[in-house]
Amino acid sequence: AQSVTQLGSHVSVSEGALVLLRCNYSSSVPPYLFWYVQYPNQGLQLLLKYTTGATLVKGINGFEAEFKKSETSFHLTKPSAHMSDAAEYFCAVSVSQFYFGTGTSLTVIP
Amino acid sequence: DAGITQSPRHKVTETGTPVTLRCHQTENHRYMYWYRQDPGHGLRLIHYSYGVKDTDKGEVSDGYSVSRSKTEDFLLTLESATSSQTSVYFCASQQDSGNTIYFGEGSWLTVV
Repeated sequence: AQSVTQLGSHVSVSEGALVLLRCNYSSSVPPYLFWYVQYPNQGLQLLLKYTTGATLVKGINGFEAEFKKSETSFHLTKPSAHMSDAAEYFCAVSVSQFYFGTGTSLTVIP
Repeated sequence: DAGITQSPRHKVTETGTPVTLRCHQTENHRYMYWYRQDPGHGLRLIHYSYGVKDTDKGEVSDGYSVSRSKTEDFLLTLESATSSQTSVYFCASQQDSGNTIYFGEGSWLTVV
């Protein structure tokens, strides 16, 4: 069975600080991995995705994520948080179906 | 981004009444999905479709039905709305299994 675990339902960082949102997955086969962002009262938007190839994936708005097979992780990072990064972030795994994590709410403190 | 529109965007309805939410996509995507989003539960799959007239249940399908008579349209029906179905509903579409899923803007449903 596939599953996605996002560690920390709420994360707070200061403006300018490093953003680290954690995602671990379980999958019996090599998965495709995704990060989505959801701003208030909006749908989910794709931030980045990993399918094959380079394990460090760059996305929009300065975010990137690294696929670590040995750790079954796909953590999302951004070197310097901006106020506009405040949102809900969802990690997802795609095997035959999509499986979403329960989300991490990011607060950016001025 | 894929062109996915949901209607209505906001609706208040009474317990026991039927409700239909509509999803329309312009990308000719094969797969379409209905999710509900509730605090503490993230996104939960209600039903999905893998082609015209081909649908299947997700993890929270009780009380919901779907229909897909055309590639571009996917309807979600609450046969008899209950307060537990108060939620935000998201439609999504996908070209092929494993590809990126694209989401609509959501439909806020309140059952009173």
